Amino acid sequence: GAGVSQTPSNKVTEKGKYVELRCDPISGHTALYWYRQSLGQGPEFLIYFQGTGAADDSGLPNDRFFAVRPEGSVSTLKIQRTERGDSAVYLCASSQGRGTDTQYFGPGTRLTVL
Amino acid sequence: DQQVKQNSPSLSVQEGRISILNCDYTNSMFDYFLWYKKYPAEGPTFLISISSIKDKNEDGRFTVFLNKSAKHLSLHIVPSQPGDSAVYFCAASERGAGSYQLTFGKGTKLSVIP
Repeated sequence: GAGVSQTPSNKVTEKGKYVELRCDPISGHTALYWYRQSLGQGPEFLIYFQGTGAADDSGLPNDRFFAVRPEGSVSTLKIQRTERGDSAVYLCASSQGRGTDTQYFGPGTRLTVL
Repeated sequence: DQQVKQNSPSLSVQEGRISILNCDYTNSMFDYFLWYKKYPAEGPTFLISISSIKDKNEDGRFTVFLNKSAKHLSLHIVPSQPGDSAVYFCAASERGAGSYQLTFGKGTKLSVIP
């Protein structure tokens, strides 16, 4: 079946602009995660959804970052007033049910803030 | 403060030989460990995992060893194949504490030479 998909694959924006990154999880997966990977680093956790609710948002770096999952499927990561330091690959993962299930990752969205 | 450390940024191995990738962690609350493989422009792909109640888990050519007293785990690939060339990430979580976020190391780039 189809894996996790993310759009766009690349996003270039200017400092101060607003961006939205979209994640389509594997069909039927109720858990969804966002991670951020900066150059030379491993992925860093941002937020975890179980269904429609954010079960753990402890990784969001500040209040410019926000994520939603209104219908328990597609999720959107929103970044306001982008800064050059936000440039990274944003990865989405989903898992079948409980948070203990294996996380399957999408290909990521490469965000570049000029 | 890096809670999961992969101290070797790169490793080269001859085809057919054993590849050993190492990972150390500092958080004694980690109770579940995973290895992911990542090709360029793709998301991480799950390889193998191990719970802290075990010291070894095997799946085909891949074996993960866990030494809890040393807070060390390793991934063995035998025999190594050119298609194994990728970046390997070690990850950990505190499932017992109800946290499903993964904490990743910086990765080790494995090159398998034909």
